[in-house]
Formats: sequence, structure tokens, C-alpha cells
Amino acid sequence: LAKTTQPISMDSYEGQEVNITCSHNNIATNDYITWYQQFPSQGPRFIIQGYKTKVTNEVASLFIPADRKSSTLSLPRVSLSDTAVYYCLVAGSSNTGKLIFGQGTTLQVKP
Amino acid sequence: EAQVTQNPRYLITVTGKKLTVTCSQNMNHEYMSWYRQDPGLGLRQIYYSMNVEVTDKGDVPEGYKVSRKEKRNFPLILESPSPNQTSLYFCASSSDLPPLYEQYFGPGTRLTVT
Repeated sequence: LAKTTQPISMDSYEGQEVNITCSHNNIATNDYITWYQQFPSQGPRFIIQGYKTKVTNEVASLFIPADRKSSTLSLPRVSLSDTAVYYCLVAGSSNTGKLIFGQGTTLQVKP
Repeated sequence: EAQVTQNPRYLITVTGKKLTVTCSQNMNHEYMSWYRQDPGLGLRQIYYSMNVEVTDKGDVPEGYKVSRKEKRNFPLILESPSPNQTSLYFCASSSDLPPLYEQYFGPGTRLTVT
């Protein structure tokens, strides 16, 4: 199972772009990278998922370099409501259902 | 509305008194999973189920049991709860078998064992 490492916390200001990087050095060939967002006292919510290069949706972008040993979640023009914990998860068909979340990154957006 | 429901949302109990936390999903998902969340430790998987009658241990299964007799339900059973099982519990489900894992999480159950 691929282990992930993220910064414990990050601060930003409203309107800025925020990039959160996740390191996953032992990612397997068939692993995908998934990011979740969690607000206090709520269950995590799926944000974005990718395998390689770049993926973009209405919420965020995910950048994955060619070696796939890291990935970067990019949140454009954050607002106070983006204050949350962000989790990176790496998993693939070899997992057979067992998933290991990292400790997550607490993003604090300030006015 | 597609959702994962958990009951109860809050529970205070005493050591040794058996309890069950129910989890139900209405999305016809194959995969279901239970997690516990503790301050500073993130989300840790307790048990998961790839399909009906198929369950397996996650990272922290000690002290817990599960069953998957129907696709929609995945109850978490604490036969003899102890104070170290005081935690926030989340159930999740997914229609995407490996490798996609876009999981839908329930609202959580806050359990206190005294």
C-alpha cells in the first residue's frame, strides 16, 4: 500500500491560489490518486481523482508529474469556505479494498 | 437523494455494553467501509466489504465486528466497548471497485464510552 505524506497545515488568504502537495514515493503502476475535503464534524467529500498529467473539474485541479511520486491539489481563488482538511489517498487494484489515508492537511483561509 | 446514513449520530455508553452502529446506502454500491477518526490521527480504516458476505480487516479492526448480509447495509458492532473506542466513526460506500474509490461518506457517529 502506498504511503502518503502531506504538510500538516497551511495558511492562505481569500482570493489566493492554494497548492497542496502530497508525496507518494512508492506508488504502484495501477494506483490512482484521490483527494478528499473534510469540514469539521462532517464526513469527507470527494474532490478530484487522477492517474497522470493534469485533471481539472469545477472545484480544483490535480497535477501529477511523469514519475507520479507526488501530486499537487490546486484550489483557485480560495474563500473562507475552503477552510477544511484535505486528504490525499493513493490506491489501486492491488489494494483489494484496504485503504490508508494520510493525516491530511489543514487549510486555514484568512480574510 | 443518494446518501449514506448512519445511526445513531451520537451515542454515550458504558464500558462493556454491546452496541451497534448502523450504516445504510441507497446507491446500490458494492464497496462499503468503516473508519474511525481521532485527533491527530486522521482517518483509519476499521473494516471494509467488497460485496455481500465479503468483509475484511482494515488497519484497526481490534474490538470491532461487521457483517454484510445485504448490499445496502453494513453495521459496525462493538461487542464490549472500551474507553479507547471513544471516537468519531464514518461509514463510506463506493460504486467503483479498484482502482477508482470515489467514496461517499456518511455524516458520522460520535461515540463516547465511559
